[in-house]
Amino acid sequence: DIQMTQSPSSLSASVGDSVTITCQASQDITNYLNWYQQKPGKAPKLLIYDASSLETGVPSRFSGSGFGTAFTFTISSLQPEDIATYYCQQYDNLFTFGGGTKVEIK
Amino acid sequence: QVQLQQWGAGLLKPSETLSLTCAVYGGSFSGYYWSWIRQPPGRGLEWIGEINPSGSTNFNPSLKSRVTMSVDTSRNQFSLKLSSVTAADTAVYYCARGRIRGYCSGGSCSILDYWGQGTQVTVSS
Repeated sequence: DIQMTQSPSSLSASVGDSVTITCQASQDITNYLNWYQQKPGKAPKLLIYDASSLETGVPSRFSGSGFGTAFTFTISSLQPEDIATYYCQQYDNLFTFGGGTKVEIK
Repeated sequence: QVQLQQWGAGLLKPSETLSLTCAVYGGSFSGYYWSWIRQPPGRGLEWIGEINPSGSTNFNPSLKSRVTMSVDTSRNQFSLKLSSVTAADTAVYYCARGRIRGYCSGGSCSILDYWGQGTQVTVSS
């Protein structure tokens, strides 16, 4: 099984700040890595696929990078509507999600 | 616009079988894989399994012995059954569409791009 380790588990930042979340895979998954946003009481929403591709309609302040086992997700300028929990997910071998990062406004 | 609408029993007793169905509207049913994912209260996401319109399946090894999935292509629907439920199966259950990307090490190699609204399932005696 492929394990996904996501950090931090929570963070607090000010509006306009840059926010970065990291995700580590237990083995090489090339670029088969997605990022999701989940707001309370809602289904997850796909933001980034294939590690760095922006899903249609997603604001450009969201971005992703990485390859192999180490990945990064960035919000370049945090907005109030970005308050949510973010998950990484590998799909190289079945599906595994990271533990999530809860993003709050300071 | 693709929409997934799901339904099923929300309250079960231990040892009963969970049964959920997801209907797909506004898009093609063929050419995709169709998944179930769950989220226990206050916790993260756990993938349960997937099925394609031909009935080919992949399951989470930790749940495989209790999971059955089926598909009804005439209605653009797919279903999940989870047997012998316990309190640990209490969760919000989601259905999702898998957009196939190519070749991977295992599974459908697909991206979960559209999700249902979620169904709360509680197991309690």
